[in-house]
Amino acid sequence: KQEVTQIPAALSVPEGENLVLNCSFTDSAIYNLQWFRQDPGKGLTSLLLIQSSQREQTSGRLNASLDKSSGRSTLYIAASQPGDSATYLCAVKLGGGSNYKLTFGKGTLLTVNP
Amino acid sequence: DTEVTQTPKHLVMGMTNKKSLKCEQHMGHRAMYWYKQKAKKPPELMFVYSYEKLSINESVPSRFSPECPNSSLLNLHLHALQPEDSALYLCASSQGLVGEQFFGPGTRLTVL
Repeated sequence: KQEVTQIPAALSVPEGENLVLNCSFTDSAIYNLQWFRQDPGKGLTSLLLIQSSQREQTSGRLNASLDKSSGRSTLYIAASQPGDSATYLCAVKLGGGSNYKLTFGKGTLLTVNP
Repeated sequence: DTEVTQTPKHLVMGMTNKKSLKCEQHMGHRAMYWYKQKAKKPPELMFVYSYEKLSINESVPSRFSPECPNSSLLNLHLHALQPEDSALYLCASSQGLVGEQFFGPGTRLTVL
């Protein structure tokens, strides 16, 4: 059974700092990995999707990497801003027999202090 | 347009009521999903529709009844719910089962 772990569970940083969120998964036979952001009481916003054949994806100040063989992904946020404060969720999609379901980590709660 | 819309935003219902949640997308996606999310937990998958056919039912109690009337619409019919069913209900869609998932803003459901 695929398990997804996110470390740390919570992170508080001053504005302007660069930071890294970590995600690990137990089954390396993934189809893709998706990073989401969730504000309190709101839906999930897709940030980046990395296919299993890719090593990284970038969008603005965000960079996500994937090392499938070691079962790890990182989300790098450059020059953090208070508006980046949210819960960040990592989710992996297994192929075929799992019907391509997403398995989520429990999230990292990020607070960026002005 | 990467928008998934959900109505209503909030719903309060008694245990004997019947209500429905609605989800709509106009991205041409052929896979649609219902998730349930409790406070401080990740979303839990409930149902998946692929090409308007139910593909996955994660052993959800029959008091939740999904319906996909067409490729753009997904409904969740609710009947005889329990207080523990109170949660944020999220709808999502993707191009196919393997595609990037896009989520709606959710419906906050309270069962009294």
